[in-house]
Amino acid sequence: DTEVTQTPKHLVMGMTNKKSLKCEQHMGHRAMYWYKQKAKKPPELMFVYSYEKLSINESVPSRFSPECPNSSLLNLHLHALQPEDSALYLCASSQGSWGNEKLFFGSGTQLSVL
Amino acid sequence: LAKTTQPISMDSYEGQEVNITCSHNNIATNDYITWYQQFPSQGPRFIIQGYKTKVTNEVASLFIPADRKSSTLSLPRVSLSDTAVYYCLVGDMMGSARQLTFGSGTQLTVLP
Repeated sequence: DTEVTQTPKHLVMGMTNKKSLKCEQHMGHRAMYWYKQKAKKPPELMFVYSYEKLSINESVPSRFSPECPNSSLLNLHLHALQPEDSALYLCASSQGSWGNEKLFFGSGTQLSVL
Repeated sequence: LAKTTQPISMDSYEGQEVNITCSHNNIATNDYITWYQQFPSQGPRFIIQGYKTKVTNEVASLFIPADRKSSTLSLPRVSLSDTAVYYCLVGDMMGSARQLTFGSGTQLTVLP
C-alpha cells in the first residue's frame, strides 16, 4: 500500500462550524505533514509530526488544530474558519532519512468556507 | 534559507525534450534535491531525487553539477499529459527542526 488517503475530498463549512480533515497512511512512515495550497500557488507547510510528536508549527492560527492519534493517522481540526481559509489541504507522509526524504501526498481536501 | 528558484512557466511541443532548471544556492551539505509533479486539484507526485552528478529513472533524468547550486530536470519526449506544475524541493532548517518548503514551481505546458 503506497497511498495516502484523505477524507473528505470536498468540504463546505460555515464560519461557525467545527469539522475535521482526516489522513491515513499504512506505509510505516514516521513523519506526516499538513500543507495548505491556494489556487495557482505552491503548497505551504502548516504542521509536521515526527514520531507522533508535533515538530513544526508554521505559525498557523489556532483555528487549525492538528492531532496525530497514532503513527498511521493525522487529523486537522477546524473551528471558526474564515473565508480566506478556503484552499486545498494536503496531507503527506515521508520516507527516507534526514536529507533525502521523499514525500507521498494524498489527493487533498478541497475546503470552502462560506 | 535553502530557497529554490525556478522559471515561472515553460512551453514545449509534443515529442520534444524539456529541461527545467532550479537554483538552490544555499543547499545544505547532506541535502538531496527532489522533484515533484502536480496536476490541478491533486497532491504533488514524486518524480526523481538525486545528490550529485546524474540520476535517471523511467520518467526523467536529473543533472546536478559539482557545486550542487543548481539542478536540471530533463523530461524526454514530452506528451500532452506532461502538462503540469513541476517543483524542485530541498530541505530547510527551522531551529533544530527540518522543513520541506516548496518554491514557486514551473508551469509546463505541452502543446500539440
